[in-house]
Amino acid sequence: QVQLVQSGAEVKKPGASVKVSCKPSGYSFTGSYMHWVRQAPGQGPEWMGWINPNTGATSYAPRFQGRVTLTRDTSISTAYMELTSLRSDDTAVYYCARQPLDETHVGDYWGQGSLVTVSS
Amino acid sequence: QSALTQPPSASGSPGQSVTISCTGTSSDVGGYNYVSWYQQHPGKAPKLLIYEVSKRPSGVPDRFSGSKSGNTASLTVSGLQAEDEADYYCSSFSGSNNLWVFGGGTKLTVL
Repeated sequence: QVQLVQSGAEVKKPGASVKVSCKPSGYSFTGSYMHWVRQAPGQGPEWMGWINPNTGATSYAPRFQGRVTLTRDTSISTAYMELTSLRSDDTAVYYCARQPLDETHVGDYWGQGSLVTVSS
Repeated sequence: QSALTQPPSASGSPGQSVTISCTGTSSDVGGYNYVSWYQQHPGKAPKLLIYEVSKRPSGVPDRFSGSKSGNTASLTVSGLQAEDEADYYCSSFSGSNNLWVFGGGTKLTVL
């Protein structure tokens, strides 16, 4: 069965960086886009960007451009999201969610979420 | 402030039907048939309920249905059950910046 397993919770100080991993199983890693979505406490989800694990191509939401980097390591079938210059309002649960390359919908499968807390 | 507008709350009694709206613009909801709906229970990841406006992934009960008119999409939950109490979010592709946008969410209460 398809599963996306994310790395654990992180606590970071303002100005630091965080890198969250997402390791899928049960399907071909290079056969689906990987999207990253975050959700602040009590708020709706916010799309951050996607990566095509096959080509490495990326697309980022304008508000995160310059602060977020999506990468992948095909040798271990793992996707990564790195967010820099952290602020308190970056405190959120960060999710990875897949989109099959031949489909138009995001998130038929989601990771369990990784809580990132930014606090001094 | 979310890109798509949803009512903050909705409610209904068991067995009844409830409809949740999601209003966007001609650059997102109105311009593409790429509207999705998600259900989220507390502490859980969102679950895909509807994609491409009205299609259901396998395993999603047909009590959940979607539609769209102009810049507004709708999710209807028929035959409400206690386990339908959750937060519901809409999402759409936005062609103005080639990105995906979400609504702020609607908390559905089963009375």
